[in-house]
Formats: sequence, C-alpha cells, structure tokens
Amino acid sequence: ETGVTQTPRHLVMGMTNKKSLKCEQHLGHNAMYWYKQSAKKPLELMFVYNFKEQTENNSVPSRFSPECPNSSHLFLHLHTLQPEDSALYLCASSPLTSGRGEQFFGPGTRLTVL
Amino acid sequence: SQQGEEDPQALSIQEGENATMNCSYKTSINNLQWYRQNSGRGLVHLILIRSNEREKHSGRLRVTLDTSKKSSSLLITASRAADTASYFCATDVFTSGTYKYIFGTGTRLKVLA
Repeated sequence: ETGVTQTPRHLVMGMTNKKSLKCEQHLGHNAMYWYKQSAKKPLELMFVYNFKEQTENNSVPSRFSPECPNSSHLFLHLHTLQPEDSALYLCASSPLTSGRGEQFFGPGTRLTVL
Repeated sequence: SQQGEEDPQALSIQEGENATMNCSYKTSINNLQWYRQNSGRGLVHLILIRSNEREKHSGRLRVTLDTSKKSSSLLITASRAADTASYFCATDVFTSGTYKYIFGTGTRLKVLA
C-alpha cells in the first residue's frame, strides 16, 4: 500500500441518501486530489487541494461537496446522487503543490448509486 | 480527444514475452508519468520521465519519450503473470494557473501463464 487510505472501500446508496467518503494520508504531502474513474473513460480529476485550500474544481456538480480540514484528511460528501455517478472514486496525494510530482493513490471507493 | 491516449487499448501476451504500449499527447509537457492499476485498485506510480530525457529504465521497465512526435512508450521485458494490469500515462498540463496531470484511458495488459 502507498500510505493513502480510503474508507469505505465499497458503498451502495440510494439517490436520496447522504454519505461521505474519507481519505487519509500520513506521507506529509501538501496536495490532495479526488478523481472519478468510470468504465472505459479516462480518469477524471474532480478537485485539488493545496495546503487545505481548494485550487481546482473541475466543473463538478454541486451534489459532490469536498472538505479538507487539514493536510492529512480529505472528504467527499455525497447527496442526491444519480445512477451515472456510480464509479470508482480515487483519492491521491503528492508532495508538490504544483501537481508536477508523483501522485500516491489510495485503493479507491467503489460507489454504486441505485 | 484527451491529452494522453494509450495504444493499444488491450494487449494479451505469453509470460516471458515483452509488452510494449504507447502513449500520445497533444500539447507540450514538462513530465510524463506511467502508472499501473490492478483491477479495481488504486494507481501505482511506475516511472517519471522529464521532457529533456529520452529514455529511462527501472528494473524490467523501459520508458522512451519523443517530444517531437509527442509520444512515449513503455516496454515491460520478460513479462510475468503478475504484470497483468491496466497501464496509464499521465501528462502534466498547465491550466487555470496550476499544473495537473491528465490521464488517458489506459492499456489493459493480460499476461498468460
């Protein structure tokens, strides 16, 4: 494992539910990322946080709400999702805030929206 | 189409053979990285090559970069069943005042024992 953990590993939720994904890194990195991976599509960058500040929101719908309380933790709050939001959600961190270094990925959360 | 595109989309070889996969991109880059992903898991960084480098080795991996053709290749020599995974290239893009990596759709490699 790379030092980035994600919980839960699997999540099934209805469209009216509210749930949160959690990501934690103990690598001392300054930057954290949320990605969405759908079948047969490129990995989609959703959000970037540098030193707890959001620096990138890649036109993500407001039903996805990120939170970064400190440099080690990143959350993705989910509410009123759609079936097409079912995907693997990956968290990553990197030591460089400019996004030009190696990224360390967590194992992902497999999300199914019914 | 996306910044990074891998070719082929899928590759099946016998154990012991070499596997070559390619990545093409559109804009100028500073770095290009290759990652591996086992089924349903996170990505693992394999190698980073800078725009002023032409070739890099790491164990059984060999990466080349041709900036004039905007392409890179990943060669895995003497493949093993454990190399079965999807392989992605990622190119850095400067946009909205920040650098970020753009990933392609990947090459699914299957190594048959």
